[in-house]
Amino acid sequence: ETVMTQSPATLSVSPGERATLSCRASQTVRSNLAWYQQKPGQAPRLLIYGASTRATGIPARFSGSGSGTEYTLTISSLQSEDFAVYYCQQYNNWPPFTFGPGTKVHIK
Amino acid sequence: QLQLQESGPGLVKPSETLSLTCTVSGGSISSSPYHWGWIRQPPGKGLEWIGTIYYSGSTYYNPSLKSRLTISVDTSKNQFSLRLSSVTAADTAVYYCGRHPGYSYGYIDYWGQGTLVTVSS
Repeated sequence: ETVMTQSPATLSVSPGERATLSCRASQTVRSNLAWYQQKPGQAPRLLIYGASTRATGIPARFSGSGSGTEYTLTISSLQSEDFAVYYCQQYNNWPPFTFGPGTKVHIK
Repeated sequence: QLQLQESGPGLVKPSETLSLTCTVSGGSISSSPYHWGWIRQPPGKGLEWIGTIYYSGSTYYNPSLKSRLTISVDTSKNQFSLRLSSVTAADTAVYYCGRHPGYSYGYIDYWGQGTLVTVSS
């Protein structure tokens, strides 16, 4: 099973600042990597797939990068609605598809 | 606009079988190449993929749950279902259904709102 880790576990950011979230896989996932945003009481929302392709309707301030085992989600200028938990997920080595433990982004 | 809605009992007794149904509207469950999946999230914890089905009936299960899991599809009702047997408190979670864009595309682009299932006597 491919184990996903995310860092940091918690990130304190001021509105308007840049946020950088990291995701690492225990083996290569060949860019078969997705990012989700989840707010309290809501289902996750797909942000990025294929490591760097934004999903439909996702603002350009969200960008994904990386390859192999190391991936990054960048939010260029945090808006109030961006404070949430972010999960990465690999879908290269399956079953099972596996998720990271999440990074919580909260207001500084 | 595609919508998915989970339904089923919110409380299940230990050792019994958890059964949930996901109803798809705004699109056909038989549309190729979409696959349909279940994901769960214990309270305050992360996400776990449970399994996925294609309209033809092909299934892909999480090995950690495979011995207790059955996922089925009813194309006439535009629904797919989850049955998890011999449940324990560790199966308490919000259960989500969702759509995969295709085979091996393991990410979910449309999600249901989720339903909380509590395992307790």
